[in-house]
Amino acid sequence: AQSVSQHNHHVILSEAASLELGCNYSYGGTVNLFWYVQYPGQHLQLLLKYFSGDPLVKGIKGFEAEFIKSKFSFNLRKPSVQWSDTAEYFCAVNRASGGSYIPTFGRGTSLIVHP
Amino acid sequence: EPEVTQTPSHQVTQMGQEVILRCVPISNHLYFYWYRQILGQKVEFLVSFYNNEISEKSEIFDDQFSVERPDGSNFTLKIRSTKLEDSAMYFCASSRRDNEQFFGPGTRLTVL
Repeated sequence: AQSVSQHNHHVILSEAASLELGCNYSYGGTVNLFWYVQYPGQHLQLLLKYFSGDPLVKGIKGFEAEFIKSKFSFNLRKPSVQWSDTAEYFCAVNRASGGSYIPTFGRGTSLIVHP
Repeated sequence: EPEVTQTPSHQVTQMGQEVILRCVPISNHLYFYWYRQILGQKVEFLVSFYNNEISEKSEIFDDQFSVERPDGSNFTLKIRSTKLEDSAMYFCASSRRDNEQFFGPGTRLTVL
C-alpha cells in the first residue's frame, strides 16, 4: 500500500520568507506526484504535478517542487511567500486504477503567512 | 473555465437520516470520484466511478454508501443512515482519462 507523509502540519511565516514543505511517499511502482492547495473557503486546486522528465517542476504562483527518487521525496518550495499564500497544502501520490488514477493524500500542511 | 460544482455547501442532518450529496462534474470528463475529509485529518478516497459503475472503492465505502449518475450531468453520493462519524467535508472530483482530477468546493456534512 502506498502512503504519503507531510512532516510539517502547521507552518507560520512572515511575508518574503522562503518556504519548503516536506513530502515523502512510499510506493514501489511508478509514481505521479502532485501538490494541491486549498485556499480558505475554496476547493482543492492543482499547484503542480510530476509525471516524468525533469525532476524540478514549476507550478503556478511561483511554486516549484523537486522529485528526488532516491529519497522518495517531492518537497514544495517557494523563494518568497506572500500573505495570499495562506492556505492548506496537500501532497498526493497517484496510482493507476482501471484506466484512471487514485490519489493518496498526505495529511496536509496549514501555512499561515503574516503580512 | 469549467469547474466541478457541489450542492449543498453545508448539510445538517440527524443521526440515522439519509442524505444525498450532489455533484456536477465537468462536462467532458469520464471519471468521477468522491473523497471525504474529517476535520483535521487527511483527504480520503471513497469511490471512483466510470462507465456507470463503480471502478474502485475504499474500505470506508461500506453498504451505507452508494453512488449514482442519475442523468447526464449529476453524480450523487447517498449515505443511507448517517452516523456521527460521517460528519466531514465531502469532495467530488472528475477527470478525463489522463491523470489530473479537478475537485469541487465540497459539502460540509454535520450529523447531530
